[in-house]
Amino acid sequence: AQSVTQPDIHITVSEGASLELRCNYSYGATPYLFWYVQSPGQGLQLLLKYFSGDTLVQGIKGFEAEFKRSQSSFNLRKPSVHWSDAAEYFCAVRGAQKLVFGQGTRLTINP
Amino acid sequence: DTAVSQTPKYLVTQMGNDKSIKCEQNLGHDTMYWYKQDSKKFLKIMFSYNNKELIINETVPNRFSPKSPDKAHLNLHINSLELGDSAVYFCASSPRTGNTEAFFGQGTRLTVV
Repeated sequence: AQSVTQPDIHITVSEGASLELRCNYSYGATPYLFWYVQSPGQGLQLLLKYFSGDTLVQGIKGFEAEFKRSQSSFNLRKPSVHWSDAAEYFCAVRGAQKLVFGQGTRLTINP
Repeated sequence: DTAVSQTPKYLVTQMGNDKSIKCEQNLGHDTMYWYKQDSKKFLKIMFSYNNKELIINETVPNRFSPKSPDKAHLNLHINSLELGDSAVYFCASSPRTGNTEAFFGQGTRLTVV
């Protein structure tokens, strides 16, 4: 069965600092991977997705993610975070007729 | 135009009551879902429908009954509400059951007292 692990429950970074959120997946075939962001009281917004091709994918809001098959990872990065990036971030893998989500990483931004 | 809309956004009700949450998508998608987000923010699939047909029922109690009158709507009815049903319920849709992303509604925060 598919599964996703986000090892960091909570991360705090300073505004302007770089960010990396970790995601590891378990899937037998070629994975279809996603990162979503959830702001407080809001739904989930898609940041980016990986289906195939270039392993470095660009998303909205200046985010990017790199697919590494050898490490079963799909880490999310941003070179310089803004206070508005404070939110919950979810990594997901496409399973049979559903998305399977990780536990989420809560991002706090220090001014 | 809201792509996936849910009503109500907040729902507070007493144990034992029956309540419904409505969901509509105007994206022309074939597949719709209900997800439950618990207090620790974990998101778990409850149901998946494709063209009004139930595809996934992920060991959800019988008190939960989804209904899809057409492929643009997927409602969730909950009977005999329990304290443990308190959560945020998200409706989502995707173009098909294949390898695509899902588009989520704003969520319905259900509180059972």
